[in-house]
This record gives sequence, structure tokens and C-alpha cells, in this order.
Amino acid sequence: GAGVSQSPRYKVAKRGQDVALRCDPISGHVSLFWYQQALGQGPEFLTYFQNEAQLDKSGLPSDRFFAERPEGSVSTLKIQRTQQEDSAVYLCASSPGPGKNIQYFGAGTRLSVL
Amino acid sequence: AQRVTQPEKLLSVFKGAPVELKCNYSYSGSPELFWYVQYSRQRLQLLLRHISRESIKGFTADLNKGETSFHLKKPFAQEEDSAMYYCALLNTGFQKLVFGTGTRLLVSP
Repeated sequence: GAGVSQSPRYKVAKRGQDVALRCDPISGHVSLFWYQQALGQGPEFLTYFQNEAQLDKSGLPSDRFFAERPEGSVSTLKIQRTQQEDSAVYLCASSPGPGKNIQYFGAGTRLSVL
Repeated sequence: AQRVTQPEKLLSVFKGAPVELKCNYSYSGSPELFWYVQYSRQRLQLLLRHISRESIKGFTADLNKGETSFHLKKPFAQEEDSAMYYCALLNTGFQKLVFGTGTRLLVSP
């Protein structure tokens, strides 16, 4: 079946613009995660949803970052007033649910802030 | 604090040589550890996890709690093993993965 789908694959934004990144998890997956991967680094956790509930947002770097999953399926990561340091690959992952700990990753969205 | 350390940014070997990618971790609880791999122009995918104790594509990894290590090994490297390898620890309380910085494996003919 289809894997985790992310769009757009690439996004170029001018500093100060707002951006929205979309994630379609694997159908039926309860858990959804967002990670940020800077160049030369491993992915770093941003936030976690179980169905529509955002259970952990401890990794969001500032209040300019906001994520939602209103119907427990598709999720959107929004970054307001983008800064150059926001340039990174944003990865979405999903898993069947708590206790089923394999996370399946999307291809990512590469964000470049000029 | 949870932390995963991969000391080598790049590991370059010849085809047929043994490979060991190092991973050390710090975690106060009982860890669940994974190796993820990213081939060129592909997404991050699970290679293996310590609780399944499998051998995938000839790779194995044993959790050594005394040395807090989870090194990835393969006796005979193949060119198709060239990729970026990430060691990750699951924070089971919060469900999130903590990744190392990755090791690029380059297998030359």
C-alpha cells in the first residue's frame, strides 16, 4: 500500500513568509510524528500526535511552529515568519499506535528560507 | 538525558571487507534501539531493531547494556550497502525517536 506521503517535496520561502507542510500518514496509523533534519545532522523530534491529540510538542523550537491533525489523519506543520535557521528537511513518520514502535517515514519536505 | 552517539561521520571500506558502524547511547530506562538506513534518493527506512534479533541484508546488531552500545556489523560489505546509517533510541515514555548524527558508509569495488 501507499507509504507516508509529504507535500510539497521542496519549498522555497522568503524570510518572513508563512509556510505549511502537509503529511498523509499510512492509512489507519494512529501515531504521527514530525522531525526536523538540518544538514549533516540526524532527525530531531518536533511533535507527536495520537489520533487528533497532540501529546508531545516539546521539540517545537519556537512559538512560530505549529502543528495540527484535526481529524486524526492528515497533519499540517505550519511555520510562521520563517527565518533562515528554519531551513531543513522536515520529516513526517507514522506508526500503527503506541506499543507498535516501528515508525515509517515520508520522503520529507526540503525547506529553504532565503 | 537521552543521547545517541555515532562517532564516525564516514566509513569507507572495500567490497568484501567487514564493516562495523559504531553506536553508543545514554538512557536511564530500558532502551529500545533501531538502525535506520537511507539509500541515495530514498526515504529513511528501518533496517533492524534490537528486540527482533534478526539479520537483515546480512547486517546484525547486538545490544550491549554494559557498554551501552548497539554497533551494526556485516562480515562482507557489498557496494549496494553504500548509504547513510542512523542509530536511534526510542523514548518509550514519549514515543519519540532520538537519532544519532549518522554514519555514511561507502563501499568501493
